[in-house]
Amino acid sequence: SSELTQDPAVSVALGQTVRITCQGDSLRSYYAGWYQQKPGQAPVLVLFGKNTRPSGSPDRFSGSSSGNTASLTITGAQAEDEADYYCNSRDSGGILYVFGTGTKVTVL
Amino acid sequence: QITLKESGPTIVKPTQTLTLTCTFSGFSLTTSDVGVGWIRQPPGKALEWLALIYWNDNKYYSPSLKSRLTITKDNSKNQVVLTVTNMDPVDTATYYCTHRVLYDTAFDYWGQGALVTVSS
Repeated sequence: SSELTQDPAVSVALGQTVRITCQGDSLRSYYAGWYQQKPGQAPVLVLFGKNTRPSGSPDRFSGSSSGNTASLTITGAQAEDEADYYCNSRDSGGILYVFGTGTKVTVL
Repeated sequence: QITLKESGPTIVKPTQTLTLTCTFSGFSLTTSDVGVGWIRQPPGKALEWLALIYWNDNKYYSPSLKSRLTITKDNSKNQVVLTVTNMDPVDTATYYCTHRVLYDTAFDYWGQGALVTVSS
């Protein structure tokens, strides 16, 4: 079972802002990584560390963290942002890795 | 440029052992803090971390699958191999090989994935 919990689904109007959350005790000590996955494709890392975007990740993706919750914010959502989003981090022991349950983002 | 590619059988029978090979380029598994991991995703379901091997040969496994998993590396071939014993239909999934971000918890490069179906 996953130690990181995400809302199953969220929707956002085109051009608006949406926040995706990831909850877990390990997030009090470790950063989350965030992945975008479109149907039939491998996941793509969009954010990691304190708030680092890999090369090619749009600057409308940003991150934050407070307590046991990490958040990915999409500011000015585009149609191409419609996808499944997963977080990952360490487990509560800090050695192993875990993924979140995933959030389906729909852009209206 | 970092690339990873999974190879192995597309179908295995229940109780058989699955062997998947990840062949990578653009980095070395002898470099400090480098790690290569395996992650799987059953059809329509979430990602599940399976195992990771570090440059120093330290190996870590998902607790729920630890007894069935073995991860090894061959530095001369730039390959990482994952074996999963006693395969079951619930192990049907796309298996991904990944490169871990240095000094971080995220995975920045992924293979295309290998769909493995367990069926008699």
